[in-house]
Amino acid sequence: GAVVSQHPSWVICKSGTSVKIECRSLDFQATTMFWYRQFPKQSLMLMATSNEGSKATYEQGVEKDKFLINHASLTLSTLTVTSAHPEDSSFYICSARGTGVNNSPLHFGNGTRLTVT
Amino acid sequence: AQTVTQSQPEMSVQEAETVTLSCTYDTSENNYYLFWYKQPPSRQMILVIRQEAYKQQNATENRFSVNFQKAAKSFSLKISDSQLGDTAMYFCAFTMNYGGSQGNLIFGKGTKLSVKP
Repeated sequence: GAVVSQHPSWVICKSGTSVKIECRSLDFQATTMFWYRQFPKQSLMLMATSNEGSKATYEQGVEKDKFLINHASLTLSTLTVTSAHPEDSSFYICSARGTGVNNSPLHFGNGTRLTVT
Repeated sequence: AQTVTQSQPEMSVQEAETVTLSCTYDTSENNYYLFWYKQPPSRQMILVIRQEAYKQQNATENRFSVNFQKAAKSFSLKISDSQLGDTAMYFCAFTMNYGGSQGNLIFGKGTKLSVKP
């Protein structure tokens, strides 16, 4: 089945630094990737939608200059949390959608737990 | 805008018994998908079952089945013969159907299910 690899699975960084999270589709081409954030004991909230080769579409309230998303290839999307602060500590998870009807289901990465100290 | 509501923050069930998790949603669209996802402590999102709105027949996957009531906009999940491994957060989710392809997922707040030995 389709596999999405997300790296790193967890990261601890100091306040003010930047962190990059990668989301790779291993055996299919992902034309669209979605980035979600999940705070403890809460649901997944969509942050942004990225389409290969174009700018990401951000949900209301998500700062595009803080959460930089790049989807430069059909197998890789990255989320960079810039100038991270403790309130950015959360669980970030990506999902990918492939091309064509047969690849319509969304496949999730295993998530990244970010802790900003 | 579409919304998904899960009115049961927590549920518990005895091993081998049956439990039903509730979900209602709101949409003015006619063509969409509904899902139940399981999120164990590892935080991995695991697809449990999927229902296409145009199909009247309720989806089933082994011990998991749904009661899809389109007019009532209700989509409950029944877990039969509950197992200890079913202990997890369960999220109901909605997405639009774009010619067989999915849009982004809109999640409910989740139900924490505990299966007791």
